[in-house]
Amino acid sequence: DAGVIQSPRHEVTEMGQEVTLRCKPISGHNSLFWYRQTMMRGLELLIYFNNNVPIDDSGMPEDRFSAKMPNASFSTLKIQPSEPRDSAVYFCASSFSTSPSTDTQYFGPGTRLTVL
Amino acid sequence: SQQGEEDPQALSIQEGENATMNCSYKTSINNLQWYRQNSGRGLVHLILIRSNEREKHSGRLRVTLDTSKKSSSLLITASRAADTASYFCATRGGTDKLIFGTGTRLQVFP
Repeated sequence: DAGVIQSPRHEVTEMGQEVTLRCKPISGHNSLFWYRQTMMRGLELLIYFNNNVPIDDSGMPEDRFSAKMPNASFSTLKIQPSEPRDSAVYFCASSFSTSPSTDTQYFGPGTRLTVL
Repeated sequence: SQQGEEDPQALSIQEGENATMNCSYKTSINNLQWYRQNSGRGLVHLILIRSNEREKHSGRLRVTLDTSKKSSSLLITASRAADTASYFCATRGGTDKLIFGTGTRLQVFP
């Protein structure tokens, strides 16, 4: 079975450009998570969805970040406009449960974003 | 802010030795999970221990939980070079989400 799929794997862009990261969760999973990982701040939860509905977006750093989940098999994380401090590895993860804290999360390979 | 703090931050050992990593957390939990991250990869779930459990085993992994001290430890026995990775504990934060610790970087030399 395919795991969580993320695209692109690497993205290099210039400051001010729009960046869209994509995620396909594992089929049948009903929770989806977007994380950001940096050396300085570690792994941070940005937002998570349950049954395509955003449950907690308190980790979204600012209005430049937005996330959507139009259906159970696709989610996007958009940064507009991008800034150098957004450079990080962005992970998508999915799980099957109604209680995300008690179930195994399956992580994608991540998207390494570099904003010049 | 992060709920879990791992200790040590980095650990280097020889193959065959045991590796012990510790995690301390701040608030009451229902369970605690450990994840592994190989360089350049996503995290992989290793084991979940519930608050009413004191010890759990999975292959060469042994996890303990002391809720009175708000701490957990992960022991990897007979380590292998392939165990080289970062290890994270994760606990429940507000709104039922997982919050990951800072991680321990383990290097196992052949």
